[in-house]
Amino acid sequence: GNSVTQMEGPVTLSEEAFLTINCTYTATGYPSLFWYVQYPGEGLQLLLKATKADDKGSNKGFEATYRKETTSFHLEKGSVQVSDSAVYFCALSQGGSEKLVFGKGTKLTVNP
Amino acid sequence: GAVVSQHPSRVICKSGTSVKIECRSLDFQATTMFWYRQFPKQSLMLMATSNEGSKATYEQGVEKDKFLINHASLTLSTLTVTSAHPEDSSFYICSAWVGGLNYGYTFGSGTRLTVV
Repeated sequence: GNSVTQMEGPVTLSEEAFLTINCTYTATGYPSLFWYVQYPGEGLQLLLKATKADDKGSNKGFEATYRKETTSFHLEKGSVQVSDSAVYFCALSQGGSEKLVFGKGTKLTVNP
Repeated sequence: GAVVSQHPSRVICKSGTSVKIECRSLDFQATTMFWYRQFPKQSLMLMATSNEGSKATYEQGVEKDKFLINHASLTLSTLTVTSAHPEDSSFYICSAWVGGLNYGYTFGSGTRLTVV
């Protein structure tokens, strides 16, 4: 079945540091890939997505590239801020209105 | 656009009572909605998928008689936790599939259920 494996946290960085959160997936065909962010006590917000190989999703300084050859969708940001502290989830779907399959989440804490 | 409003955000109930959680799509028609449960410091566990006008499809291990899902209209889906017990305490989140050009999934803000 489909699955998502993401880097275990927690991750603690200083402000302006470079961020990478690794995400790999197992799926048949060409799933759509997503990164979601969850702030404490809240639901999930879409951060970025990519729907086909070599697509790059980007938003708020975050980027992730859909790599079919390595089945990966790593999240990166060049310079993190304290406000980026949250839990980040990598997810996939087989498209249409199919259910999302989530990774376990990575908690990021950015210190001033 | 594509906002899902989830209520209540927090609820405390006594053991043995039932609790209803509502999710409304405010500016689009939600033909498919998903209900998740999230344990502390853990990922989201899909409980069920509901399609408007049909019975929900429950994931393996989820008690359909305990977690009643109704999706009677294109803008409202409800989750009722029946005969709640302390082990049902959790964070419940709904999500809706949004079609069109900016397709994807939008999430409610979650409901913190505490059963005492």
